[in-house]
Amino acid sequence: DAGVIQSPRHEVTEMGQEVTLRCKPISGHDYLFWYRQTMMRGLELLIYFNNNVPIDDSGMPEDRFSAKMPNASFSTLKIQPSEPRDSAVYFCATKRGSSTEAFFGQGTRLTVV
Amino acid sequence: DAKTTQPPSMDCAEGRAANLPCNHSTISGNEYVYWYRQIHSQGPQYIIHGLKNNETNEMASLIITEDRKSSTLILPHATLRDTAVYYCIVRVATQAGTALIFGKGTTLSVSS
Repeated sequence: DAGVIQSPRHEVTEMGQEVTLRCKPISGHDYLFWYRQTMMRGLELLIYFNNNVPIDDSGMPEDRFSAKMPNASFSTLKIQPSEPRDSAVYFCATKRGSSTEAFFGQGTRLTVV
Repeated sequence: DAKTTQPPSMDCAEGRAANLPCNHSTISGNEYVYWYRQIHSQGPQYIIHGLKNNETNEMASLIITEDRKSSTLILPHATLRDTAVYYCIVRVATQAGTALIFGKGTTLSVSS
């Protein structure tokens, strides 16, 4: 398996633009997590899904952020409109429900100018 | 939710054992201790986890005190590639599922 695949690896966008981050989970994993990492705040859990259903979105910072998981093979995190303070590395992680180990993708480094 | 306390940074000489401590004095009886690490520019990677007993795998050993209020991750022979941020996490339950909540971690620097 290729692991958790995130795209793009790097994204530079202008303030006010819409940004979509993508994640392909490991096949068979029924949990999917979105995290954000900054120097100031460290790794923060934004939202997670179980069997494509959002379970906890209390970490989503504001309404500009939305996440979807239309099927077991794909998830998106969208920011609209983007702001400079959204600049961070966004990680997607997945795990099988019966497993204790979560697997992380390589992350998407987002820069909003 | 139980919280963990780790030193912000530690140094270790290559080839020596690295002992990374973690305090989790409010841990509940059914909560596990997990360790992950994050090498620069990569996503976090699972290392090991335990409940009560000491655990060992190909990467590290985990020693949990009898009262479960603290634990130590041991890298028996640290290499330069072990330079990373190490996170000690106590698993928390969030609504119907489970999620890993990361603290600041310990930055381990291994030097030759």
